[in-house]
Amino acid sequence: ETGVTQTPRHLVMGMTNKKSLKCEQHLGHNAMYWYKQSAKKPLELMFVYNFKEQTENNSVPSRFSPECPNSSHLFLHLHTLQPEDSALYLCASSQGSLAGGGETQYFGPGTRLLVL
Amino acid sequence: DAKTTQPTSMDCAEGRAANLPCNHSTISGNEYVYWYRQIHSQGPQYIIHGLKNNETNEMASLIITEDRKSSTLILPHATLRDTAVYYCIVRVANTGTASKLTFGTGTRLQVTL
Repeated sequence: ETGVTQTPRHLVMGMTNKKSLKCEQHLGHNAMYWYKQSAKKPLELMFVYNFKEQTENNSVPSRFSPECPNSSHLFLHLHTLQPEDSALYLCASSQGSLAGGGETQYFGPGTRLLVL
Repeated sequence: DAKTTQPTSMDCAEGRAANLPCNHSTISGNEYVYWYRQIHSQGPQYIIHGLKNNETNEMASLIITEDRKSSTLILPHATLRDTAVYYCIVRVANTGTASKLTFGTGTRLQVTL
């Protein structure tokens, strides 16, 4: 166990549905991340939050909407997704700092999403 | 961040040492070498990292060449549970934001009986 949990672990949704992915870290970290891993492709960084502020949006379509209410929780709100959005969505956290990074990231187990 | 090159796949017999190479010939002086692994359909797992000195922990050893242009991850006694994709990532220590990891395609290590 890495101290990062994700729910649900599996999700099937239609293209008109709205759903949310949840990530929680129990490590006292201040930075949290969303990554996407499509079949046979490398992990892609989606969003970065440092001290609850979004510091990176890697050109992610607006149908993905992140929310970071506090340093321990991160959500990814999904609406009107496409079948090509089916993937493993991974959350990670790291110590974070106001000065910048350089620390180790710890990953959750991921949510496997299937969009029909 | 500097780009890395790793072999696509490797095999290793159980109980033997697994030596996974990584080339990072364009690495800068302030960039660390990180290793992660991903067992099938799970989240990546941190293994080890280093700047210029060799490092060892309970999971593995990291050997970095003197010119820092390449490194080797060593799993001293591989087991079947070490079968995974291993990622070598080079990253700047401080970027002014939270850290970013850029994953490549990694090396698929298959440990066999």
